[in-house]
Amino acid sequence: EPEVTQTPSHQVTQMGQEVILRCVPISNHLYFYWYRQILGQKVEFLVSFYNNEISEKSEIFDDQFSVERPDGSNFTLKIRSTKLEDSAMYFCASSGLGGRYTEAFFGQGTRLTVV
Amino acid sequence: ELKVEQNPLFLSMQEGKNYTIYCNYSTTSDRLYWYRQDPGKSLESLFVLLSNGAVKQEGRLMASLDTKARLSTLHITAAVHDLSATYFCAATGGTSYGKLTFGQGTILTVHP
Repeated sequence: EPEVTQTPSHQVTQMGQEVILRCVPISNHLYFYWYRQILGQKVEFLVSFYNNEISEKSEIFDDQFSVERPDGSNFTLKIRSTKLEDSAMYFCASSGLGGRYTEAFFGQGTRLTVV
Repeated sequence: ELKVEQNPLFLSMQEGKNYTIYCNYSTTSDRLYWYRQDPGKSLESLFVLLSNGAVKQEGRLMASLDTKARLSTLHITAAVHDLSATYFCAATGGTSYGKLTFGQGTILTVHP
């Protein structure tokens, strides 16, 4: 069964460092998303991406964040200068042709710990 | 702006009992989802509800949707320990491109 895969599963970084979280969406999907979940809290939307551009972003997704689809298969989230409060589980998701009308499938997540 | 609220946030149940988790959302929504999350794990899709009156069942879980009341319920029948997890509802709607707005989650613990 097709699945969304994320790497790494766990990343520890020092405050102020740049991190790149990687995702391989399901191969024929066209809509891509990043969500985050701070420990013990709800899942929050960060950004959606379609046709090589951002469709929508939340207030959380400030200038420190960027997304890219560098090679047609990977979908990355970059945090330029990490802060302690960026520590969270980051989930990538993708959905098919129907976009808002099709179900998004989630990856297993990357746990980011900023020290 | 779409807001989603769940209650209760914590639910401690005895095995064999029934209970319902409620999910209210604030504006018109295209779809309502229920997810299960085990500690440290990803989100497992349980149900997708598309229209008013929709009811779906899988094992001991049954989900329903009332779009007029902007309410979805997740009913647990004869709970077993394996159902212990966090359950989230999430909704899409408005002009968003499939963006999911999640509720706070309900932490369910089933005791023997």
